[in-house]
Amino acid sequence: KNQVEQSPQSLIILEGKNCTLQCNYTVSPFSNLRWYKQDTGRGPVSLTIMTFSENTKSNGRYTATLDADTKQSSLHITASQLSDSASYICVVSDRGSTLGRLYFGRGTQLTVWP
Amino acid sequence: EADIYQTPRYLVIGTGKKITLECSQTMGHDKMYWYQQDPGMELHLIHYSYGVNSTEKGDLSSESTVSRIRTEHFPLTLESARPSHTSQYLCASTGIAGEVQDTQYFGPGTRLTVL
Repeated sequence: KNQVEQSPQSLIILEGKNCTLQCNYTVSPFSNLRWYKQDTGRGPVSLTIMTFSENTKSNGRYTATLDADTKQSSLHITASQLSDSASYICVVSDRGSTLGRLYFGRGTQLTVWP
Repeated sequence: EADIYQTPRYLVIGTGKKITLECSQTMGHDKMYWYQQDPGMELHLIHYSYGVNSTEKGDLSSESTVSRIRTEHFPLTLESARPSHTSQYLCASTGIAGEVQDTQYFGPGTRLTVL
């Protein structure tokens, strides 16, 4: 069964600290993996996308890694800010074509305290 | 920020009412989607469309219906709302063929509460 599991479910850190969010998936065949940020009451916004051949992708203070062999991804946030408080969702696509099916994780709820 | 809009943002209605959730995008995207999301849970696909006059049901069974008469517009209708329909509804669209990796752009969502 194709699944996307994220951990931890929730995380609280102090402003300025770093953190790492985890995503494990069993989706096959694998096409690509995205990390989205969803602010409370808003729709998700794409942060990074990685294909099978990529193992690291950065977007400002966000760095995503992918290990396609172990089917694991992580999102590392550096020097956290209050505005980083949000849900971070891991999304895996099982095909690269326009018919690609998306599998969503439940998200990690990150809270950054001052 | 993506040019995809949803109205209303919040809606509280009584059981049995007919409602339509609006979704519009100005990016010329062919593919559009409706998702349902409950707090702390993953998004579930309830409807999608690959173009005008094309609509399909998603993975999650839903009593709602959709239409796609114009490329930019993808409304979702509930003929008779029930408390079990209380949820967040997210609309998304995907770029035209050739756009990198078909990233989905999401609207801000409609928070529906049925009393």
